[in-house]
Amino acid sequence: GESVGLHLPTLSVQEGDNSIINCAYSNSASDYFIWYKQESGKGPQFIIDIRSNMDKRQGQRVTVLLNKTVKHLSLQIAATQPGDSAVYFCAESFGYSTLTFGKGTMLLVSP
Amino acid sequence: AAGVIQSPRHLIKEKRETATLKCYPIPRHDTVYWYQQGPGQDPQFLISFYEKMQSDKGSIPDRFSAQQFSDYHSELNMSSLELGDSALYFCASTKRFSSGYTDTQYFGPGTRLTVL
Repeated sequence: GESVGLHLPTLSVQEGDNSIINCAYSNSASDYFIWYKQESGKGPQFIIDIRSNMDKRQGQRVTVLLNKTVKHLSLQIAATQPGDSAVYFCAESFGYSTLTFGKGTMLLVSP
Repeated sequence: AAGVIQSPRHLIKEKRETATLKCYPIPRHDTVYWYQQGPGQDPQFLISFYEKMQSDKGSIPDRFSAQQFSDYHSELNMSSLELGDSALYFCASTKRFSSGYTDTQYFGPGTRLTVL
């Protein structure tokens, strides 16, 4: 994917706030979507996923919303904690195809 | 739960040298993916294997090759290393379902390759 280089979009929130990270995906045929969290120097860590036959899925403190009409995915984190600070990537795939990652968003949580 | 294992975790090489990165997938996973991630960038897909056969190919340079072995581990071989090959290299594994879907890709901790 296209890179934003070293200047990732950044979302700064206070501890306890709710965070919403957005992602526009590219392929209208994609049927599987994942959010990953990546801390500095570590591998992407699975957070939550959703298939195209759903428009909302909830996990522990996280919710993913899928709007196929406008090809938009969002990740909501409730009661954001300093440990949530990381880069968040959305990724999409179709069937057996490989994942295509979106541009990351850096989440900074202040105590 | 067992995770994806990658070795080595850090590797320093000189230009024009070769490097071999190893990946051990989660048990019972049959599909392995390799990604390259530069600083501040999203992971870029390089190549994947399903049941020891190349499944898909992305932006992998001709200087790189990879394979998956009978025990499902995979190796990424990189030759004639260039300064621009310095990056984090991730392996991910998953299981393919007969329904036409794959399960979630789980990533390893990565190998940081530095080319001097």
